[in-house]
Amino acid sequence: DQQVKQNSPSLSVQEGRISILNCDYTNSMFDYFLWYKKYPAEGPTFLISISSIKDKNEDGRFTVFLNKSAKHLSLHIVPSQPGDSAVYFCAASARSGGADGLTFGKGTHLIIQP
Amino acid sequence: DGGITQSPKYLFRKEGQNVTLSCEQNLNHDAMYWYRQDPGQGLRLIYYSQIVNDFQKGDIAEGYSVSREKKESFPLTVTSAQKNPTAFYLCASSPRDNEQFFGPGTRLTVL
Repeated sequence: DQQVKQNSPSLSVQEGRISILNCDYTNSMFDYFLWYKKYPAEGPTFLISISSIKDKNEDGRFTVFLNKSAKHLSLHIVPSQPGDSAVYFCAASARSGGADGLTFGKGTHLIIQP
Repeated sequence: DGGITQSPKYLFRKEGQNVTLSCEQNLNHDAMYWYRQDPGQGLRLIYYSQIVNDFQKGDIAEGYSVSREKKESFPLTVTSAQKNPTAFYLCASSPRDNEQFFGPGTRLTVL
């Protein structure tokens, strides 16, 4: 049973607009969430994380929002740029930083249209 | 240059053979991890190690083995017992209780 779900396999957004990627989780023990960006045949690159004691974390163009009651988080990218085209993975852990390993969603392929 | 290296980038194996994938890091990270990715899927945890000479099974450890004799190295052996070994294998490392950083990956193909 998937504990971390990314229900949109792909998302197409115009350059300069906002990209919103969504992620849902089922395990109530998860208390740390991360977003990774991945290009084909490469390792994922860490983007941003959020602890369950917060509901928002911002880093430049990237903002992650966490709604614990709904077990939902989202990644906002503003403004979207062509280099943002990649697969984005949501990941979760029951321990800060994922010391016992991360549980990943299946990813969302973001395509930024010129 | 600090980082995580995985070798080789592409690996071919005949069915029934064991094969070892290399992972080295010079970031002085305590923890190291192995994941596998299949097409259209997320990453799944195989094994992890938080300190030298100690490691734990992840969600899909069957058919794999690891060792952690040095802090810098965490090799993964794919044994003949692994039923479907063709996949993209990713190694990661992490300072204690911090984000994981990934290597470039090894694509293993069983012929």
